Amino acid sequence: DTAVSQTPKYLVTQMGNDKSIKCEQNLGHDTMYWYKQDSKKFLKIMFSYNNKELIINETVPNRFSPKSPDKAHLNLHINSLELGDSAVYFCASSQAGRRYLSYEQYFGPGTRLTVT
Amino acid sequence: DQQVKQNSPSLSVQEGRISILNCDYTNSMFDYFLWYKKYPAEGPTFLISISSIKDKNEDGRFTVFLNKSAKHLSLHIVPSQPGDSAVYFCAASGTSYDKVIFGPGTSLSVIP
Repeated sequence: DTAVSQTPKYLVTQMGNDKSIKCEQNLGHDTMYWYKQDSKKFLKIMFSYNNKELIINETVPNRFSPKSPDKAHLNLHINSLELGDSAVYFCASSQAGRRYLSYEQYFGPGTRLTVT
Repeated sequence: DQQVKQNSPSLSVQEGRISILNCDYTNSMFDYFLWYKKYPAEGPTFLISISSIKDKNEDGRFTVFLNKSAKHLSLHIVPSQPGDSAVYFCAASGTSYDKVIFGPGTSLSVIP
């Protein structure tokens, strides 16, 4: 029974297209995240939602828009895709919010996005 | 500006020996540290963590040591097993810091 799932696992698309990546967690966690792992393998936070409320919004282009219809789902929509958007995108969830000391996060398997 | 550094991109160790993975951080606001393990084509999985009120935390074969004055932590794996071959990410956060900052990872190969 998958704890954090992402779809699709692979996404190949052309520059200028719009695409979405979906994420769902069945752990009952309050907080969900999107991370980008670039070609240098750094995992960088993009967004974080706590109970459907955006709490972290890093310096990410406006073309990236997260949407959280409920606390178990956090989707990432990307407009006008560019070559530099090629990366692996990880969704994660945790019980943590500002009130918690534990920051253990549970990650999905990742979505490899290739923009051609 | 890398706030969490893992200066060894890779490490090879013989099966049965000790693996020591190192991590340095620069931000004094960090007071909670985590290690994650990642296999290819999978997401990172949580391994072990330590709060800044401790200097050591142990879980089976895995021990994390924290030296706050040096802003340094290390992960010890004893004994190392081939299944431990993976990329290990050091991460840092804190009660006054909303984000978790990840290091670039160290790729560990345990040779049978």
